[in-house]
Amino acid sequence: AQSVAQPEDQVNVAEGNPLTVKCTYSVSGNPYLFWYVQYPNRGLQFLLKYITGDNLVKGSYGFEAEFNKSQTSFHLKKPSALVSDSALYFCAVREVKAAGNKLTFGGGTRVLVKP
Amino acid sequence: DVKVTQSSRYLVKRTGEKVFLECVQDMDHENMFWYRQDPGLGLRLIYFSYDVKMKEKGDIPEGYSVSREKKERFSLILESASTNQTSMYLCASSPRTGRFTDTQYFGPGTRLTVL
Repeated sequence: AQSVAQPEDQVNVAEGNPLTVKCTYSVSGNPYLFWYVQYPNRGLQFLLKYITGDNLVKGSYGFEAEFNKSQTSFHLKKPSALVSDSALYFCAVREVKAAGNKLTFGGGTRVLVKP
Repeated sequence: DVKVTQSSRYLVKRTGEKVFLECVQDMDHENMFWYRQDPGLGLRLIYFSYDVKMKEKGDIPEGYSVSREKKERFSLILESASTNQTSMYLCASSPRTGRFTDTQYFGPGTRLTVL
């Protein structure tokens, strides 16, 4: 079975400071990993994904994430947060050999960037 | 751009009613998904479909059924709505092959309230 944990319900950060949203995963084989963002009253938007190759993945809106196989983590980062980054962030995993592309999502982390 | 639309943004129904939630995608994607989103629980997969007339249960299928008669349309059916089905329902689609496989594209969501 595959699972995802986002240990923080909420992250507060001042505008201009670095932002990190944590994610750890569990799969029996190799993972595909994803980050999605949900702005207020909007559907989920794809941010970035790790499939294979370079452990540092760059995505939309200046976000990046680092895949760490030994720590089974895929933390989302942004060097300088903006107020407009305030949203709900979801990490998701799919085991490479799993049938179809069924994703398992974490519980979500709310990010609040204060001016 | 991929567009996934859902028939209603907000829906209020009474206990025992039969409820239909409709989802349409315009990118000829083979895979379609229905999730429910609840605070602290993230997204949980209800049902998914690999192709027309094909469906598979997700993690929480009880109390729900689905229909996929056309490739672009995936319907979620609550046979007899109950108050514990009050939630945000999200539809998603993804291609089966190509570089964007595994990336799911989401609709705006339907907030269902069952009284």
